[in-house]
Amino acid sequence: EAQVTQNPRYLITVTGKKLTVTCSQNMNHEYMSWYRQDPGLGLRQIYYSMNVEVTDKGDVPEGYKVSRKEKRNFPLILESPSPNQTSLYFCASSLSWQSSNQPQHFGDGTRLSIL
Amino acid sequence: GENVEQHPSTLSVQEGDSAVIKCTYSDSASNYFPWYKQELGKRPQLIIDIRSNVGEKKDQRIAVTLNKTAKHFSLHITETQPEDSAVYFCAASRAGGGNKLTFGTGTQLKVEL
Repeated sequence: EAQVTQNPRYLITVTGKKLTVTCSQNMNHEYMSWYRQDPGLGLRQIYYSMNVEVTDKGDVPEGYKVSRKEKRNFPLILESPSPNQTSLYFCASSLSWQSSNQPQHFGDGTRLSIL
Repeated sequence: GENVEQHPSTLSVQEGDSAVIKCTYSDSASNYFPWYKQELGKRPQLIIDIRSNVGEKKDQRIAVTLNKTAKHFSLHITETQPEDSAVYFCAASRAGGGNKLTFGTGTQLKVEL
């Protein structure tokens, strides 16, 4: 089954304790992206990756890191989490064509609470 | 950068009525406009999308219209059913923009019996 898998689904942690949220897709998609969803703000892009070893900042990248060492994986890293990073996070992937945007497929989400 | 505004933020309709959600975008180079439905506690799921070379697209009870001159697009749901109750997001993206989607802030649709 074609899917985007995120882990963990839920996490409660404390300020300053490094954490990683994993994202994996099995559709051989080139493009992957991370979003955070907050009430009244919709989905905002954190980072994205056009292909292996190619990553770039989205609209709200502060406090986050990503890596793309393999095509299928795109982990989100919070080196020193803070309470304002408490949010619902979604990973998404899509085919990527040079001149034509493609539908993005979302994972089930990760709810992070930073105390 | 792109800015997408979505209205209304909440919408309540009676079962069987139609629902319309409207979005405006700022970047005239945007050419791809998807709509996502998000049920409570679930992932956003693509329900329909439209590209700038098309003015209207339909899929059963849902349709999307695009007015490039006015830079707005709308989602139309006819014969609404209780299972249509969800949050709907519009988004916009431009060619060569790295497939970046800019989302609206969402519309909570409630279909009442």
